[in-house]
Amino acid sequence: GAGVSQSPSNKVTEKGKDVELRCDPISGHTALYWYRQSLGQGLEFLIYFQGNSAPDKSGLPSDRFSAERTGGSVSTLTIQRTQQEDSAVYLCASSFWGGASEQYFGPGTRLTVT
Amino acid sequence: AQSVTQPDIHITVSEGASLELRCNYSYGATPYLFWYVQSPGQGLQLLLKYFSGDTLVQGIKGFEAEFKRSQSSFNLRKPSVHWSDAAEYFCAVVLTNFGNEKLTFGTGTRLTIIP
Repeated sequence: GAGVSQSPSNKVTEKGKDVELRCDPISGHTALYWYRQSLGQGLEFLIYFQGNSAPDKSGLPSDRFSAERTGGSVSTLTIQRTQQEDSAVYLCASSFWGGASEQYFGPGTRLTVT
Repeated sequence: AQSVTQPDIHITVSEGASLELRCNYSYGATPYLFWYVQSPGQGLQLLLKYFSGDTLVQGIKGFEAEFKRSQSSFNLRKPSVHWSDAAEYFCAVVLTNFGNEKLTFGTGTRLTIIP
């Protein structure tokens, strides 16, 4: 079946612009996660959704970062007023029910802020 | 502080040789443990996981891992590596209590295979 998809696969933006990154989880998966992978920080958690609610936003690095999930499905991660340190690969994962159930990862969106 | 440690940043092995990648965790209780692999330009793929029970777990692609509570370790092994195993390997944990759903990753070990 279809896996987790993310779009765009690559995004180049100018410093100060806003960007939106999209994640389509596996159908039927109630849990959705955003992670960020960068050279300096490794793989770090950003936010977790259960359904449309986000019980854990502890990894969002600043108030420029926000995310929403609608219909218990698609999620959008928005970065406002992008900075060069936001350059990274943003990974989305989904799992059937959260907890320790297996997380399936998408291919990621590579964001470059110039 | 709670952490996941992969002490080897980069490992080089010959094709056909055995492999062991190290992972140690520091948590008050036994977390759920995972190994993921990331090939260049690809997302993360789960190799295997440990929740409870038998401490030797089998995964995909011929990998296995052994959980040792006394050493807080979950090392990944393969008896004979193939050139296609060249990738980055991440150990990860999820705490066992609900409300802490996120994966916490180690820093990764990059595996290079030489002919």
